[in-house]
Amino acid sequence: NAGVTQTPKFRILKIGQSMTLQCAQDMNHNYMYWYRQDPGMGLKLIYYSVGAGITDKGEVPNGYNVSRSTTEDFPLRLELAAPSQTSVYFCASSSRQGEVNGYTFGSGTRLTVV
Amino acid sequence: GQQLNQSPQSMFIQEGEDVSMNCTSSSIFNTWLWYKQEPGEGPVLLIALYKAGELTSNGRLTAQFGITRKDSFLNISASIPSDVGIYFCAGQNYGGSQGNLIFGKGTKLSVKP
Repeated sequence: NAGVTQTPKFRILKIGQSMTLQCAQDMNHNYMYWYRQDPGMGLKLIYYSVGAGITDKGEVPNGYNVSRSTTEDFPLRLELAAPSQTSVYFCASSSRQGEVNGYTFGSGTRLTVV
Repeated sequence: GQQLNQSPQSMFIQEGEDVSMNCTSSSIFNTWLWYKQEPGEGPVLLIALYKAGELTSNGRLTAQFGITRKDSFLNISASIPSDVGIYFCAGQNYGGSQGNLIFGKGTKLSVKP
C-alpha cells in the first residue's frame, strides 16, 4: 500500500518553462489537495478536489492549474514558471473532508525556478 | 484569511528536557491538529483534537484544545534525539473550502544528546 506518491522528488526549471507535478493515491480517497511550503513557513493550500471532475481554488492558486480525471490522480500544472514558485510542493488525500485522521501527505516535490 | 500564530519559532534543548509549544488563532476552529515533519518528508499527524477543552495524549506527547477554540498547545516530555523535526499546528473547519487545513509556521526542535 503506497499511500500518496509524488513525482518527481526534485526539479530545477528555468523561468518561463512549464511542468506537471504528479500525484497519485491508491487509497480510493475522494478528496485530494495540493499545498506549497515556503522556507520557514507552514503549508498553504493551492488547489483541492472533492472528486473526479471537480476542482476548486485554495488560498494561493495563481500560476497553477489542476485536473482530476480519475479518483487516483491529481496533477498540478505550472505553465510559466517564475522564481516565486520555488517551493516544496505536497500532495495529500483524505477519504472525506472532515476526516483528519485519514489525511495522508506525500513526501513532496522540491522545485527550484532559476 | 485565517492565520495561526505558532511559537516559539525554534527550540534548542537538552535530551531529557520537556518541551512546550503553542498555537493561537484570531478565529475559531472545529478541530486542532499537531503534525511532525522530518527532513525530506511530508507532515505526519501526531494528535487530533475535536472538542474544546479536550486533553489528549499520545505516548510522551500531550496536546490540549483551548476552551475558546482559538488556541492549542503541545507538550513533549522527556525529549529524545528522534524528536528532532518541525512541529506544525493546523486548524480545520468543516464545509466547502473551510474543510481544508490552515497551518502555523512551525516550531523547529533541536535536541542535544
